[in-house]
Amino acid sequence: DAGITQSPRYKITETGRQVTLMCHQTWSHSYMFWYRQDLGHGLRLIYYSAAADITDKGEVPDGYVVSRSKTENFPLTLESATRSQTSVYFCASSAASLVRNEQFFGPGTRLTVL
Amino acid sequence: SQQGEEDPQALSIQEGENATMNCSYKTSINNLQWYRQNSGRGLVHLILIRSNEREKHSGRLRVTLDTSKKSSSLLITASRAADTASYFCATHPYMNRDDKIIFGKGTRLHILP
Repeated sequence: DAGITQSPRYKITETGRQVTLMCHQTWSHSYMFWYRQDLGHGLRLIYYSAAADITDKGEVPDGYVVSRSKTENFPLTLESATRSQTSVYFCASSAASLVRNEQFFGPGTRLTVL
Repeated sequence: SQQGEEDPQALSIQEGENATMNCSYKTSINNLQWYRQNSGRGLVHLILIRSNEREKHSGRLRVTLDTSKKSSSLLITASRAADTASYFCATHPYMNRDDKIIFGKGTRLHILP
């Protein structure tokens, strides 16, 4: 199906475990983004990628790792999950245009760290 | 580092009335965007207004931009129950040469039947 998908949609894990959230887009957009959304904080950028093999830190990168070996995939890994990483995670993509850089969002992954 | 801030934080109006939300930002921008988020869903892009534009329309949506005041407003006319959602502004700072945009914390809009 065309669009941007995230998996899993819901995940419960324990403190200290490694967790990987997947993101896949079918538009061949250059840019991909990972955000977390928490009450009182709005959306905060974790990491983003301008193209395959190019990634950059966002506002809150600590405790997260990303990779982008293929344009369509942008997995986010929590190397050792902590309770403070309980959140809703959104992946987004955009087409690399300074004129029209609207972002397209996936449905989100609700992560609970016990 | 938050660039945009929406006002009010929450808004409840009767169905059929107009809803106005405001966004203020701090630094010069290339463009400003508005997004909607229904409960439990991802954000959906509504409208983009460039720094050299003052007003844009899309259906029942009207967005204005005042770069001298560093502010924008989103007007939803003839509101419907389906407009109940959170609305976010996002700015693309002028110095950015990538696609990164900065979101505000949003306005929660509730349309009363």
